[in-house]
Amino acid sequence: DAGVIQSPRHEVTEMGQEVTLRCKPISGHNSLFWYRQTMMRGLELLIYFNNNVPIDDSGMPEDRFSAKMPNASFSTLKIQPSEPRDSAVYFCASSQFRGNTEAFFGQGTRLTVV
Amino acid sequence: QKEVEQDPGPLSVPEGAIVSLNCTYSNSAFQYFMWYRQYSRKGPELLMYTYSSGNKEDGRFTAQVDKSSKYISLFIRDSQPSDSATYLCAMKEFQPQGAQKLVFGQGTRLTINP
Repeated sequence: DAGVIQSPRHEVTEMGQEVTLRCKPISGHNSLFWYRQTMMRGLELLIYFNNNVPIDDSGMPEDRFSAKMPNASFSTLKIQPSEPRDSAVYFCASSQFRGNTEAFFGQGTRLTVV
Repeated sequence: QKEVEQDPGPLSVPEGAIVSLNCTYSNSAFQYFMWYRQYSRKGPELLMYTYSSGNKEDGRFTAQVDKSSKYISLFIRDSQPSDSATYLCAMKEFQPQGAQKLVFGQGTRLTINP
């Protein structure tokens, strides 16, 4: 398996623009997590899905952020409108459904909002 | 107060030294304890995984959990330059059905000098 695949790897956009980050989880995994990593705050969970259903979105910072998982093999994280403070590395991770299994991370999307 | 506290470092030691990395936590419901390693511009990868109190050894790495003190440690013996990375502790509660969210420490940036 190719692992968790994220796109794009890098994104530079202007403040106010819409940004969409994409994630393809490992086949057979039915839990998916979106994290954001910054130097100041470390790795923060934004939202996670079990069987395509959002379970906990308490980490989503504002209404500008939204996430969807229309099927088991694809998820998006959208920021609209983007702001400079959204600049960070966004990671997607997936795991199997059982409670004590490893989460596998993608390579991340480095977002810069200017 | 964060649920998981980890000294971000940076920590720099000579090759061959013993390294000790630590995290404290406040949520007594955490049952699973992990250490992830993250190389520069990569996603985190699982290094060690422990359940409940005690020690677990894997080659040069030893993970230690003290639930009574809410304290976990990772020891690296005979450290190598290839061990240079950011080390993140992570924890989660027991969940019989469905994946549970991982809560991460901020990560400690470690450099092993040849």
